Amino acid sequence: GAVVSQHPSRVICKSGTSVKIECRSLDFQATTMFWYRQFPKQSLMLMATSNEGSKATYEQGVEKDKFLINHASLTLSTLTVTSAHPEDSSFYICSARARDGTGELFFGEGSRLTVL
Amino acid sequence: AQTVTQSQPEMSVQEAETVTLSCTYDTSENNYYLFWYKQPPSRQMILVIRQEAYKQQNATENRFSVNFQKAAKSFSLKISDSQLGDTAMYFCALRLYSNYQLIWGAGTKLIIKP
Repeated sequence: GAVVSQHPSRVICKSGTSVKIECRSLDFQATTMFWYRQFPKQSLMLMATSNEGSKATYEQGVEKDKFLINHASLTLSTLTVTSAHPEDSSFYICSARARDGTGELFFGEGSRLTVL
Repeated sequence: AQTVTQSQPEMSVQEAETVTLSCTYDTSENNYYLFWYKQPPSRQMILVIRQEAYKQQNATENRFSVNFQKAAKSFSLKISDSQLGDTAMYFCALRLYSNYQLIWGAGTKLIIKP
């Protein structure tokens, strides 16, 4: 199946710094990518939907200035957590929809962010 | 609005037994997909099985099968001959034809005991 690579898998940063997480579709073009946040022992919470070449659509309650999403190409979307605080510590997952029209969604391995 | 409900927070069975995970959903739409995803300790989300709402036949993938009851809006997952590697969180999800967002259930933690 199609592969989505997410990097880094784990990152630890100091409070106040910014962290960038990359999501790449390795063998297909992804017109749409989704970013999720997952708290321990909970389900996935959709943060935003990004379409290539346009601004991301954020879910209610998600601060767009804090969680910057860029989808500059058909194979790369990035999530930047700006001025990170300990409450931003979480597991972040991306998924990508193939351009071929099947609508299949493929998931990255996830990124564990710890803010000290 | 769409909702997905998984009423079993945790289940455990002995290896080789059969286990059924429950999922109910609500939508006013007629065209949608239903999914079961597995999230093992590695946290990688893996698609287990997919069902298209217009298909009456229940989807099957090897040891995994579903019981799709459209009128009752029920979509349970049956795992036969369970294996230790089946230990994971299992999420039921709904997606409308009209968009690509997944509506997720809360998940069921499944533990397969040796």
